[in-house]
Amino acid sequence: QQPVQSPQAVILREGEDAVINCSSSKALYSVHWYRQKHGEAPVFLMILLKGGEQKGHDKISASFNEKKQQSSLYLTASQLSYSGTYFCGTEAGSARQLTFGSGTQLTVLP
Amino acid sequence: GAVVSQHPSWVICKSGTSVKIECRSLDFQATTMFWYRQFPKQSLMLMATSNEGSKATYEQGVEKDKFLINHASLTLSTLTVTSAHPEDSSFYICSGPTGPYTEAFFGQGTRLTVV
Repeated sequence: QQPVQSPQAVILREGEDAVINCSSSKALYSVHWYRQKHGEAPVFLMILLKGGEQKGHDKISASFNEKKQQSSLYLTASQLSYSGTYFCGTEAGSARQLTFGSGTQLTVLP
Repeated sequence: GAVVSQHPSWVICKSGTSVKIECRSLDFQATTMFWYRQFPKQSLMLMATSNEGSKATYEQGVEKDKFLINHASLTLSTLTVTSAHPEDSSFYICSGPTGPYTEAFFGQGTRLTVV
């Protein structure tokens, strides 16, 4: 079953912060976050493994609550380049495949 | 990171014809590859799992006779859309499997338009 993301869409001004949530009904092994621009392949942002760790890269970070099967992506001081559709991808078993969430369209305005 | 090369990046074909999309792993061997389809403004939906040396595994609702998958070698998987119809127009993308602590590596994707 597809993970549920919220919000579906968000519009920000440059410099503002955003949080994107991903919730699964299955026990998860890992959560992956990707950003996709229109017509392009998804670009990997980060991976979070079981253990509740939080990872970060520059002004983008994420957390993973394995007990609640939820992950959140935090975008701080957003830049114009952050615009795109964000997908979480969840890994629930040993098949080494991802099930993608419904997506969150992020628009950053000047 | 690993590199997955997908061709063509876009193709326009007439209704009723077949189209083949190639997905090559350039620097790793893959016994498994995944094929996704993405309609406009929607998520990536897994169509099938390509298995080297054996039959592909299709997700529920995906017609295996329409979407032929062949995993000829450890570095090449192909998806053939047979007797294409306009409703098959979509973005098709392949990926390798996730690894320990690593992401799935995607091909560039193929935009298929059936006219």
